Amino acid sequence: GQQLNQSPQSMFIQEGEDVSMNCTSSSIFNTWLWYKQDPGEGPVLLIALYKAGELTSNGRLTAQFGITRKDSFLNISASIPSDVGIYFCAGQRYGGSQGNLIFGKGTKLSVKP
Amino acid sequence: EPEVTQTPSHQVTQMGQEVILRCVPISNHLYFYWYRQILGQKVEFLVSFYNNEISEKSEIFDDQFSVERPDGSNFTLKIRSTKLEDSAMYFCASLDREYTDTQYFGPGTRLTVL
Repeated sequence: GQQLNQSPQSMFIQEGEDVSMNCTSSSIFNTWLWYKQDPGEGPVLLIALYKAGELTSNGRLTAQFGITRKDSFLNISASIPSDVGIYFCAGQRYGGSQGNLIFGKGTKLSVKP
Repeated sequence: EPEVTQTPSHQVTQMGQEVILRCVPISNHLYFYWYRQILGQKVEFLVSFYNNEISEKSEIFDDQFSVERPDGSNFTLKIRSTKLEDSAMYFCASLDREYTDTQYFGPGTRLTVL
């Protein structure tokens, strides 16, 4: 099946640092989404990208939909403690799949000790 | 803001028992999904449902699983005879395809099979 490669798997942040993570795929997606999941909770949508090349911001978050439709990145600027959690990219196809999401394995953001 | 709700939040069951997980999608949404997440792993697609029938299902969604929309508001996932490896978080999601292609997830049901 389709796989999304998400990196890095984990990273430590210090408050105020910028953070960057990305996802790549061997297949084309029509929509890329970025979710955040806190422990014991469901994924919460952060940003949705619908067009190749699209760059979208949501507060301190910025995400881009790659031109090839096979990749996306998420940047978090000036990180704060509540940014800690697991971030998932997800790709969505149309047509026969009726939009089921394929998720990356996640990037775990932790605070530097 | 409308949200997807799921009950129960945690279900503990014995191996071989049947469980029903319940979801109330966002009211004007038309497409419904179940996903699962084994502890520490990624979220995996199980099944999608539209117009009162299954649209697509993954390899995970075998004959032990079934879904139903018994009335205008609930969407259920039934596992007929649970196995130890069914222990996971199960997330329901719904989609309003008319205006956006964004799936909104519920808080999940943690299923523990003993």
